[in-house]
Amino acid sequence: GAGVSQTPSNKVTEKGKYVELRCDPISGHTALYWYRQSLGQGPEFLIYFQGTGAADDSGLPNDRFFAVRPEGSVSTLKIQRTERGDSAVYLCASSLTWPTGELFFGEGSRLTVL
Amino acid sequence: SQQGEEDPQALSIQEGENATMNCSYKTSINNLQWYRQNSGRGLVHLILIRSNEREKHSGRLRVTLDTSKKSSSLLITASRAADTASYFCAMTTSGTYKYIFGTGTRLKVLA
Repeated sequence: GAGVSQTPSNKVTEKGKYVELRCDPISGHTALYWYRQSLGQGPEFLIYFQGTGAADDSGLPNDRFFAVRPEGSVSTLKIQRTERGDSAVYLCASSLTWPTGELFFGEGSRLTVL
Repeated sequence: SQQGEEDPQALSIQEGENATMNCSYKTSINNLQWYRQNSGRGLVHLILIRSNEREKHSGRLRVTLDTSKKSSSLLITASRAADTASYFCAMTTSGTYKYIFGTGTRLKVLA
């Protein structure tokens, strides 16, 4: 596609439920990043992939969070047993010129946990 | 935790004036980038400056980097109402390739 696509754009769920957020990067971009952004804050790093492997997952807050990128393209961020504190905008970005190229961001998935 | 601290947190200026925002960081960096985010939207890349560069220009944007002071500044000249947005610095540190973002400066340009 022309840009990074994220679905859903909005997700409302109840505490304790499981959620999946999808990111479709720009074709040919090998690096893919997930960030989380709370209102009025800068994006907080979660994980990044180079190809299919998670090159750095040090930002995942706990073991309820998991991300995959099985074919080196689309990635899914999975959150188990959601908590109200997980409410945020989840941003995905991809990059062609890894590791020092510009990041192309999607519009984000807004997650609200009630 | 966030690597970059930006100031001011918020800035309000008149159209036509220059806007300067600063980013300070804690450890050695590989490169530093600036991004813009319009309300409710994704981030858009503005400019990249490498650790061995001191100044870069792109249109109305001027970025400086002082590695001895661990700081960078973004200057927007002749600001327009359309420049109203949040601006973030982002950097990679030595030994890693994850981009860590600053806290952001919210710029409001009044017409």
